Amino acid sequence: GAVVSQHPSRVICKSGTSVKIECRSLDFQATTMFWYRQFPKQSLMLMATSNEGSKATYEQGVEKDKFLINHASLTLSTLTVTSAHPEDSSFYICSAEYPVEKTNYGYTFGSGTRLTVV
Amino acid sequence: TQLLEQSPQFLSIQEGENLTVYCNSSSVFSSLQWYRQEPGEGPVLLVTVVTGGEVKKLKRLTFQFGDARKDSSLHITAAQPGDTGLYLCAGENTPLVFGKGTRLSVIA
Repeated sequence: GAVVSQHPSRVICKSGTSVKIECRSLDFQATTMFWYRQFPKQSLMLMATSNEGSKATYEQGVEKDKFLINHASLTLSTLTVTSAHPEDSSFYICSAEYPVEKTNYGYTFGSGTRLTVV
Repeated sequence: TQLLEQSPQFLSIQEGENLTVYCNSSSVFSSLQWYRQEPGEGPVLLVTVVTGGEVKKLKRLTFQFGDARKDSSLHITAAQPGDTGLYLCAGENTPLVFGKGTRLSVIA
């Protein structure tokens, strides 16, 4: 249980175009989802927290107009990289919070999206 | 900001050797999670430790949560090439606070 599907797994786009990445919870309702960015050989860096039905909360230094997050339903959050540039090339990973006994909630991760902007 | 320090950052060992990875913080966490990530994939949860002093075993992997719930360790016995990957600790919080990770390479 608690599976998150992220799509696409890889995308190549031209500089200046926009790219949308989807994150779906398949077998549970995800009120809260998270978007991370990971540079090569580094850990996950939180970009924003996505709450269903409300505006996302962005981490310091993350441009909210560039990385648009929409969480319009309990099973889908999307991250749109607008006017992408080569420096936006990275591995983007979504995560969703789900209820778990004892710890109250757990986290499950998507398989990531490798974005390459050329 | 709660920070998690992981050490070592890189580790290259021979098959059959033992190793320990450490995760330390100045903050107290209600629980702590360990993840393993392979290239091009998302992190996969290995274990969650909740109680101070708790020890959990997952085959050849032993996880320990410090008594004060500020630190944790992961010990791998008789490492195998299949253990190669990025090991991440994450402090229970909303959102998760990740350590920088330990990149393990096990050479056959």
